[in-house]
Amino acid sequence: DAGVIQSPRHEVTEMGQEVTLRCKPISGHDYLFWYRQTMMRGLELLIYFNNNVPIDDSGMPEDRFSAKMPNASFSTLKIQPSEPRDSAVYFCASTPGGHQPQHFGDGTRLSIL
Amino acid sequence: QKEVEQDPGPLSVPEGAIVSLNCTYSNSAFQYFMWYRQYSRKGPELLMYTYSSGNKEDGRFTAQVDKSSKYISLFIRDSQPSDSATYLCAMGSSNDYKLSFGAGTTVTVRA
Repeated sequence: DAGVIQSPRHEVTEMGQEVTLRCKPISGHDYLFWYRQTMMRGLELLIYFNNNVPIDDSGMPEDRFSAKMPNASFSTLKIQPSEPRDSAVYFCASTPGGHQPQHFGDGTRLSIL
Repeated sequence: QKEVEQDPGPLSVPEGAIVSLNCTYSNSAFQYFMWYRQYSRKGPELLMYTYSSGNKEDGRFTAQVDKSSKYISLFIRDSQPSDSATYLCAMGSSNDYKLSFGAGTTVTVRA
């Protein structure tokens, strides 16, 4: 079975540009999570969805960040405008049920110059 | 104080040694406990999943949860160079579906 698929794997862009990260969860998984990982702060939850509906976005750092899930097989995380402090690895994870283990993608390594 | 504390290491052991990792936590509502392994430039991969207190064994891996002490452990027996990775503890409560992660411990197993 295919795991969680994220694209792009790497993104380098200049400050002020719009960045869009993409995620395809495992088929049949009703929950989707977006995380950010940095050396300083570790792995932080940004937002999660249940059946395509955002449930908790309290981890989204500021209004420059937005996430959508238009259907069960696709989600995006958008940063506009991007800033150097947004540089991190962004992970998407999915799970079939809320308390079951989360399965992670291999992340998008984002560098904002 | 962080909700989940984990010593980042690094930890270096010879091949065949027992690796001992642990996390402490402050939220008494945590009931779901996980250990993830993360190789460089890859996503976290689930190793062990435990509900409430007790021990769980899977091959060379043993997970222990002591809710009274708010302390969880992961033991790796007969460690191999392929076990070299960062190990993350994670935990969640029944109140919601969010996980809190430790900082991760970097382990190197020397051949």
